[in-house]
Amino acid sequence: RKEVEQDPGPFNVPEGATVAFNCTYSNSASQSFFWYRQDCRKEPKLLMSVYSSGNEDGRFTAQLNRASQYISLLIRDSKLSDSATYLCVVNTGFQKLVFGTGTRLLVSP
Amino acid sequence: GAVVSQHPSWVICKSGTSVKIECRSLDFQATTMFWYRQFPKQSLMLMATSNEGSKATYEQGVEKDKFLINHASLTLSTLTVTSAHPEDSSFYICSATSNPGGRRSEQYFGPGTRLTVT
Repeated sequence: RKEVEQDPGPFNVPEGATVAFNCTYSNSASQSFFWYRQDCRKEPKLLMSVYSSGNEDGRFTAQLNRASQYISLLIRDSKLSDSATYLCVVNTGFQKLVFGTGTRLLVSP
Repeated sequence: GAVVSQHPSWVICKSGTSVKIECRSLDFQATTMFWYRQFPKQSLMLMATSNEGSKATYEQGVEKDKFLINHASLTLSTLTVTSAHPEDSSFYICSATSNPGGRRSEQYFGPGTRLTVT
């Protein structure tokens, strides 16, 4: 079983749609959680950290359920520029990051 | 935010040669740097953790004699792929942090180096 699992997609959505990505992780001792965005042939960029209380940054909302070891990302009012691969990332301790394979999002006009 | 650079951004080399990739933190001191590798359509995989002035810690399955890591200063780490083979062709990405023990401290990623071995 992979340490961090994501649906690879792609998710094809029209502009303005709301889309949700899910992620599960296997290490219950994981300490912190993130969503990164990666554009084709580029390095990953931090989108947001994920907290148990849930957090929102503009059109993006992230949620963590420690009991279920489940992380989610919700994108509202999708823009063309949101097209990218979204990586679920878990810090298993001392900054050791474990990356999911990513979920690809394609937003069309 | 903090800036991390990598050089070169891409390199093509012949099988059997060695290639050195540099990772620099430009505006902060990086006590710890990380080296990742990403094959097409796969996730980033941590290869090794590099602490300034000490030996790197390699992940299981990564050959330390093949992937030489040097972290001689607080702003520079190098990864040398020795005797490169076509299967070493990949996207190599470094990241750096100034607070390795912090639970929520951020890793800053370099732009990556695309290595093609012919």
